[in-house]
Amino acid sequence: QVQLQESGPGLVKPSGTLSLTCAVSGGSISTSNWWGWVRQTPGKGLEWIGEIYHSGSTHYNPSLKSRITIWADKSKNNFSLNLTSVTAADTAVYFCTSGSSSSPLYWGQGALVTVSS
Amino acid sequence: IVLTQSPGTLSLSPGERATLSCRASQSVAGNYVAWYQQRPGQAPRRLIYGALHTSTAIPDRFSGGGSGQDFTLTISRLEPEDSALYYCQQYGSSPWTFGQGTKVEVK
Repeated sequence: QVQLQESGPGLVKPSGTLSLTCAVSGGSISTSNWWGWVRQTPGKGLEWIGEIYHSGSTHYNPSLKSRITIWADKSKNNFSLNLTSVTAADTAVYFCTSGSSSSPLYWGQGALVTVSS
Repeated sequence: IVLTQSPGTLSLSPGERATLSCRASQSVAGNYVAWYQQRPGQAPRRLIYGALHTSTAIPDRFSGGGSGQDFTLTISRLEPEDSALYYCQQYGSSPWTFGQGTKVEVK
């Protein structure tokens, strides 16, 4: 079964760029799945960020679209998230997710990212 | 689409039945609603997709129902391990959205 593991800096400065990578094992990122990101904060709960299809097409949350990029590296079997111009409101646990539909079946364990100077 | 879950907290005894509600601000296309269970410190686990289809390896005590704007998750014969937060998600209209959660306490 597919396993996902997030990695990246746990601390990002305000106005900086949050970068996370999700390593995929037990499956290929080239298969017909969606690969995405969801974040969770105590205040706003679960928030869908965006996703990339195995074909490379992307689908982003309009509320974040101007600041996010999701891309896949098939040679490394991983996918990544960049979120620019971060503020304290972007402090959250970030989950990478996967599934054959946009209701993710597989979830990473989550990575806490704090935005602070 | 805004999803409103009720009740906020449900406190029940083992063996009882729990019924969780998820109401959408507008009809969910295709009844594309999923339910997740999240225990403290863990990632969400998908229980139900497409409103009524149970995910693999999920006990048959969990069942989903509903259509249009109103959806339910039923847990029959509660067990202590069912204590968790439960979220609904709609993925019929972009952006996909989640409800605020229902806390289930089994004691």
